[in-house]
Amino acid sequence: DTEVTQTPKHLVMGMTNKKSLKCEQHMGHRAMYWYKQKAKKPPELMFVYSYEKLSINESVPSRFSPECPNSSLLNLHLHALQPEDSALYLCASSQDDPPLHFGNGTRLTVT
Amino acid sequence: KQEVTQIPAALSVPEGENLVLNCSFTDSAIYNLQWFRQDPGKGLTSLLLIQSSQREQTSGRLNASLDKSSGRSTLYIAASQPGDSATYLCAVSLWAGYSTLTFGKGTMLLVSP
Repeated sequence: DTEVTQTPKHLVMGMTNKKSLKCEQHMGHRAMYWYKQKAKKPPELMFVYSYEKLSINESVPSRFSPECPNSSLLNLHLHALQPEDSALYLCASSQDDPPLHFGNGTRLTVT
Repeated sequence: KQEVTQIPAALSVPEGENLVLNCSFTDSAIYNLQWFRQDPGKGLTSLLLIQSSQREQTSGRLNASLDKSSGRSTLYIAASQPGDSATYLCAVSLWAGYSTLTFGKGTMLLVSP
């Protein structure tokens, strides 16, 4: 069982919808990450939060909006997505040192 | 910019074989290297983490080595089993209070009974 929990597991949304992906960890980790993974490709870093502050934004379009309400939670708010945004969205966390612990991901389909 | 290459892209072996997966990276200034396993449609499971000062790590039938100066790592799987079938990803990391992983494209492994 993964210690990083992501909900929902699957999400289908239209291009005009607003939805959110949620990630939760209770390992006391201080850094949390969002990665995007297209089919048969490696994961690509989107955002990093360290001590609840956004530390890295890898030039992600503004239709993706991250939020870290507290040290255990990480959200990714989605709005006006495009079909090419369909992918597996992975959340990860780490303590002050690696390794990273990944969740099972949310499979997002944009129609 | 760091680039990570994994060879082979795919590998099919009969059960019981020992096998080696290769990973190379272009910038040797890494903090650590991590091997992951990913089952279809699932998240990543961390298998082994090698710090930049270490040469190898072992966990059960898995052994990972690191030659930082030459930019290479290998993952050795002993006595492969059908349950080992998955994609294996190598990732190198820089560290600045948090990790920024750069992944290879992975090796898709199929172990047949």
